[in-house]
Amino acid sequence: DAGVIQSPRHEVTEMGQEVTLRCKPISGHDYLFWYRQTMMRGLELLIYFNNNVPIDDSGMPEDRFSAKMPNASFSTLKIQPSEPRDSAVYFCASSKQGWGYTFGSGTRLTVV
Amino acid sequence: KQEVTQIPAALSVPEGENLVLNCSFTDSAIYNLQWFRQDPGKGLTSLLLIQSSQREQTSGRLNASLDKSSGRSTLYIAASQPGDSATYLCAVFESTDDKIIFGKGTRLHILP
Repeated sequence: DAGVIQSPRHEVTEMGQEVTLRCKPISGHDYLFWYRQTMMRGLELLIYFNNNVPIDDSGMPEDRFSAKMPNASFSTLKIQPSEPRDSAVYFCASSKQGWGYTFGSGTRLTVV
Repeated sequence: KQEVTQIPAALSVPEGENLVLNCSFTDSAIYNLQWFRQDPGKGLTSLLLIQSSQREQTSGRLNASLDKSSGRSTLYIAASQPGDSATYLCAVFESTDDKIIFGKGTRLHILP
């Protein structure tokens, strides 16, 4: 398996623009997680899905953030409109219950 | 509320030494525990997963132990090498729903 695949690896965008981050989990995994990492706040769980259904989105910072998982092999995290304080590395991870997490390589987002 | 603590926050040791990284958690009713490493600017790589019925796991020069009753896990690294320099993160699974709580990590530097 190729692991958890995230795209793009890097994204630079202007304030106010819409940003879409993508994630392909490992086939057969039933959980998918979106995290954000900054120096100041460390790793923060934004939202997670079980069998494509959002379970907990309490970590989503505000209404500008939304996430979808239309099928078992694809998820998106969208920020609209983006702001400079959204600059961070965004990680996607997937797991099969009880067997631990696998993380993607992350998307480094810079909003200028 | 579960809290995961990793002490020390940073550690420097000469190459070749054996070392122990510590992880403690406030609620002993955890399910699994997973150790990760993160290299600067990179994603998280899974090192070891200790499942609920296990007390330790070994992979090469790494050994992780888990004592739920005392709320502690240790990661033992034998014969440290400069390539072991990274941040090591401990994460506990609170229940079977696969949501995990991360510690803030120990930044390890192996001196050549």
